[in-house]
Amino acid sequence: AQSVTQPDIHITVSEGASLELRCNYSYGATPYLFWYVQSPGQGLQLLLKYFSGDTLVQGIKGFEAEFKRSQSSFNLRKPSVHWSDAAEYFCAVGSNNAGNMLTFGGGTRLMVKP
Amino acid sequence: DSGVTQTPKHLITATGQRVTLRCSPRSGDLSVYWYQQSLDQGLQFLIQYYNGEERAKGNILERFSAQQFPDLHSELNLSSLELGDSALYFCASSERLASSYNEQFFGPGTRLTVL
Repeated sequence: AQSVTQPDIHITVSEGASLELRCNYSYGATPYLFWYVQSPGQGLQLLLKYFSGDTLVQGIKGFEAEFKRSQSSFNLRKPSVHWSDAAEYFCAVGSNNAGNMLTFGGGTRLMVKP
Repeated sequence: DSGVTQTPKHLITATGQRVTLRCSPRSGDLSVYWYQQSLDQGLQFLIQYYNGEERAKGNILERFSAQQFPDLHSELNLSSLELGDSALYFCASSERLASSYNEQFFGPGTRLTVL
């Protein structure tokens, strides 16, 4: 069965500092990988996705992620964090078997210090 | 705005009651997915429908059921509600079910509070 682990439950960074959120997945075939962001009281917004091809993918709001098959990882990065980036971030893996359901990690709550 | 709509936005009810959550997918999307987000279980896939037919089932309780209607909107029915059913329920839709993976677009969610 597929699974996603986000090792960091909470992360605090200073505004302007760089950010890396970790994600490890377990999936038997080529994974479809996603990062979503959820602001307080809001729904899920897709930041970026990896289906195939270039392992470094660019997303919205200045985020990028790198797929590393050897490490089963898909870490999210941003070079300079803004206060508006404070939110909860979810990594997810998609299955192409019997439907396209997503399996989510437990989420990482990002706090940004002024 | 993803184009997926969910009603109601908030729902407060009592234990033992039954509620219905409604979802309208993006125009042209044939697949609808339901997810539950709770503090103890996180974000979990419940069930998927494709063009009116159940396609995949996840961790959905027997007290819960869903359907997709000919106009492609979907309803999630939750019955004999318990305190632990309090959660945010998301609906998502995708374009089609095919050999390639289809991105899901999420609605704003329905927050259910069971008292």
